[in-house]
Amino acid sequence: QKEVEQNSGPLSVPEGAIASLNCTYSDRGSQSFFWYRQYSGKSPELIMFIYSNGDKEDGRFTAQLNKASQYVSLLIRDSQPSDSATYLCAALMDSSYKLIFGSGTRLLVRP
Amino acid sequence: NAGVTQTPKFQVLKTGQSMTLQCAQDMNHNSMYWYRQDPGMGLRLIYYSASEGTTDKGEVPNGYNVSRLNKREFSLRLESAAPSQTSVYFCASSETGFPAFFGQGTRLTVV
Repeated sequence: QKEVEQNSGPLSVPEGAIASLNCTYSDRGSQSFFWYRQYSGKSPELIMFIYSNGDKEDGRFTAQLNKASQYVSLLIRDSQPSDSATYLCAALMDSSYKLIFGSGTRLLVRP
Repeated sequence: NAGVTQTPKFQVLKTGQSMTLQCAQDMNHNSMYWYRQDPGMGLRLIYYSASEGTTDKGEVPNGYNVSRLNKREFSLRLESAAPSQTSVYFCASSETGFPAFFGQGTRLTVV
């Protein structure tokens, strides 16, 4: 069974620190990886996606992918209290529309 | 520009009742999705529609039917609601192979 695993948290970091959110996946056929942010009681929002090994940066967010280790991470630099949310990792098989989601990591940024 | 609009936002059903969840998007997207989100389980795909007139089953289609009425609208029907269908339902749309924009969700309770 294809799985995407995340630590449920909460991950607590002080304001201004780097928050590191991690995700592992079981299916080596997964080709694309996605990070969504979900505030409590709200709908998910797409933050970033990454296809290739290495880093992809967008503002304060950096997604990292290591396909050999089947590991994806999201770094949030200069964390703000407004970043406090649940972050969902998801993996997409090549030639498939079926995104497999992890259960999410709750991030708490302390002022 | 409303994006993805779901109705209703909240619903309580008795076991065995039927209902239809409505979803409409105004971004002219081809792809539309229905997900359910249960505590600790992330998002799971119920049905997917790649374009008007086409639908495909996702991970958890049992107990649900869908209709892609036109390019804008994608409805989800519960023919005979069961307590196991108590969940938060999200509709999403995109012009890519993954959900990019989500509706605000429908919180459904089956008693």
